[in-house]
Amino acid sequence: GESVGLHLPTLSVQEGDNSIINCAYSNSASDYFIWYKQESGKGPQFIIDIRSNMDKRQGQRVTVLLNKTVKHLSLQIAATQPGDSAVYFCAENMVSWGKLQFGAGTQVVVTP
Amino acid sequence: EPEVTQTPSHQVTQMGQEVILRCVPISNHLYFYWYRQILGQKVEFLVSFYNNEISEKSEIFDDQFSVERPDGSNFTLKIRSTKLEDSAMYFCASSSGTGNEKLFFGSGTQLSVL
Repeated sequence: GESVGLHLPTLSVQEGDNSIINCAYSNSASDYFIWYKQESGKGPQFIIDIRSNMDKRQGQRVTVLLNKTVKHLSLQIAATQPGDSAVYFCAENMVSWGKLQFGAGTQVVVTP
Repeated sequence: EPEVTQTPSHQVTQMGQEVILRCVPISNHLYFYWYRQILGQKVEFLVSFYNNEISEKSEIFDDQFSVERPDGSNFTLKIRSTKLEDSAMYFCASSSGTGNEKLFFGSGTQLSVL
């Protein structure tokens, strides 16, 4: 079946630098994509989302880019802070609303 | 900020026993979900629930699983006869509607089946 996956399992970034987390998806029918952050012992926390009719969306210190041609999704975090250390998941909405398919997750480690 | 709360945070049970995982969704939300995450694996969809009935369920959600909204605030997941492979973190989520509303997740219940 089609699935969402991540390229890098672990990303180490220096405090203050920008982070880029990548995600590949294969279901061309998906029309909604979300990035979640998960800290240890907590549930997934919504970061930002994007619909398939957009290719870029910005939030506070975060930007999501969607390239439908190559089925690629990325999350950019500007000026990464220690509090950004977490596992980041991309997810796509599969046909029925709320039925999300999650990627494997990328561990982001922010070093001083 | 309103949040989804789950209890207990950790549940240990013997194989074959029934467990009920409890969730209190955000109060004005209408759509409810259960997801699970086996250690080291992806978060997986189990079931969605709206208007007192299941909207959709995955292949994981077999006859051993059931969901219920017994009152106006709680949303429960029951596993009738637990198996070792049911050991996982179970997340409840809720959303206010379809189309534009994001899912809010609880902190999860870690279920350990011995």
